[in-house]
Formats: sequence, C-alpha cells, structure tokens
Amino acid sequence: GIQVEQSPPDLILQEGANSTLRCNFSDSVNNLQWFHQNPWGQLINLFYIPSGTKQNGRLSATTVATERYSLLYISSSQTTDSGVYFCAVNFGNEKLTFGTGTRLTIIP
Amino acid sequence: DADVTQTPRNRITKTGKRIMLECSQTKGHDRMYWYRQDPGLGLRLIYYSFDVKDINKGEISDGYSVSRQAQAKFSLSLESAIPNQTALYFCATFYVGYTFGSGTRLTVV
Repeated sequence: GIQVEQSPPDLILQEGANSTLRCNFSDSVNNLQWFHQNPWGQLINLFYIPSGTKQNGRLSATTVATERYSLLYISSSQTTDSGVYFCAVNFGNEKLTFGTGTRLTIIP
Repeated sequence: DADVTQTPRNRITKTGKRIMLECSQTKGHDRMYWYRQDPGLGLRLIYYSFDVKDINKGEISDGYSVSRQAQAKFSLSLESAIPNQTALYFCATFYVGYTFGSGTRLTVV
C-alpha cells in the first residue's frame, strides 16, 4: 500500500512564527488532504489538494504530484493552531492512508 | 447542523457489553467509513460502505460489525467490548475529499 511520511514529527514555535510541514508519499494518488486535529480530538479538513496550490487565510498548501510531496504552510502562527496536522492520501477506491502526523505547539 | 454527526460523543462501557456508535450525514454521499484512532497514531480503517448494499471490511474489522440502514446512516457495533477497543472512533463520508464527524471517544473498562 501507499506509504505516507510526515516531517517534522514535532514542532514548537513562538506565536507569530511561520512554519512549513511536509508530506511525502510513495505512489500516485488522486486524493490528498490536510487535516488539523485540535486538542479536543476533532479532525478539521484544511485542504483537498491532489495537485497545485491553494490558500485559505493564513494557511496555504502546495502539492507536487509528479514528485510525490505536499507542503502545508502556516503563517503568523496563533495558539489556536496547536494540535496535530495529518496528511492523508488515496488512489481510486483504495483506503485513505494517513501519515503519522506533525504535532505543532504554539507558545504564547 | 454538522454535515456528519456522530453519537454519542463520549461513552464508557464495561467489558463484554454490546455497544453501538451511530453516524448520520446530510451530504447525500454514497460512501461512508468508520475509522479508529489510538493515542499518538493515525487513523485505521474498520469498515466502509459504497452504498446501502455494499459493505466492506477494512484493515481492523475483527470485533466490529456495521449496518448501513440508509444512505444517510452508518452504525458501528462492538458485539462484546474489550479494553483494547478503547479509542477515538470517527465516521466519514467521501465525495471529492473526506469529511469527518467530530468523533466518539469510547472507553472500555
């Protein structure tokens, strides 16, 4: 099956800093999503981005499908950005495969 | 109302008890999924359904069963709960991307 690796595993930043999270995947995909899991456990869909670039406020994401990676950018971090960020991919009807996540902690 | 609603949000049950987790969606999607998340790990697929008559096992289906009562409803049952089924359970739908419910935190004591 598809392998998904995320880096870094942990990231601690001061409020206001910028960050880049990376997701590498081992095979072709036609679905790639970024999720934020908040401290209460809720999974929030950030981006559906199998290719290209999207932006939503302080967050943006880029997927280079031919090179099998995706990047999530968070600018001007806020404490509410804390949590775990997951990349998840699948191809066709195959199951969605999650990476192990990046735990982001924003310090006031 | 949320697009994907899970009930209950939290549940504590005893070993050996039968328990049902319910999921309903308002998005009109055919595809529905049940996932399990253990602490510090990603999500693992328990069961999925492509329509009312199509139910499929995922990677960790042992000890679980499901019922797709209608396009909008997909329930997960633990016939005889055991402590290692303590986890966070998510229901999801799919149509051009996945939408997850808020999760059910289940503790088996």
